[in-house]
Amino acid sequence: ETGVTQTPRHLVMGMTNKKSLKCEQHLGHNAMYWYKQSAKKPLELMFVYSLEERVENNSVPSRFSPECPNSSHLFLHLHTLQPEDSALYLCASSPTEYTTQYFGPGTRLTVL
Amino acid sequence: QKEVEQDPGPLSVPEGAIVSLNCTYSNSAFQYFMWYRQYSRKGPELLMYTYSSGNKEDGRFTAQVDKSSKYISLFIRDSQPSDSATYLCALTGNNNDMRFGAGTRLTVKP
Repeated sequence: ETGVTQTPRHLVMGMTNKKSLKCEQHLGHNAMYWYKQSAKKPLELMFVYSLEERVENNSVPSRFSPECPNSSHLFLHLHTLQPEDSALYLCASSPTEYTTQYFGPGTRLTVL
Repeated sequence: QKEVEQDPGPLSVPEGAIVSLNCTYSNSAFQYFMWYRQYSRKGPELLMYTYSSGNKEDGRFTAQVDKSSKYISLFIRDSQPSDSATYLCALTGNNNDMRFGAGTRLTVKP
């Protein structure tokens, strides 16, 4: 297993469901990120963790809840999402904060 | 004014053409410049990384930075159908901030 992995790759959920996205990095990096990618929009940074401490939260709705139990794993817990939350959710890692980032394949989320 | 401007395209060229992709930015605090390539249904992959003004070459790819004009470019020589993807510029600096362009969708036709 190399690089940054994400599971699941695809997720369909109703607005009342609770689900979690998982990210794992095998690069020995200290920083991890969650991004939202919607069609024809720039990547939207959601959360940044450095050495397991959250260092940035870009005014993300509370229905998205991150968790970083160690420097290799990052979760995004989802509950009571809205259809407009449907997007590709990307995880990335970097050696330190805001240096070159390496991305996972993403989770394609559809909220019905 | 957006911090990073990138023409979303789509851009369609014949195989073998030279492709020019560009981004402009407004914040002079950005010091590091990256280009990512993103194939359909995949995450972005780092293509090139530059720091200083000037050119950096890697095979068929050349990244160019003009800090005085706040303008960065990626050139692809002898473009191939396998180069068809979305290309994103990314900028970061000592301001603890990172911004991405919206991405340019490129199609290289055989």
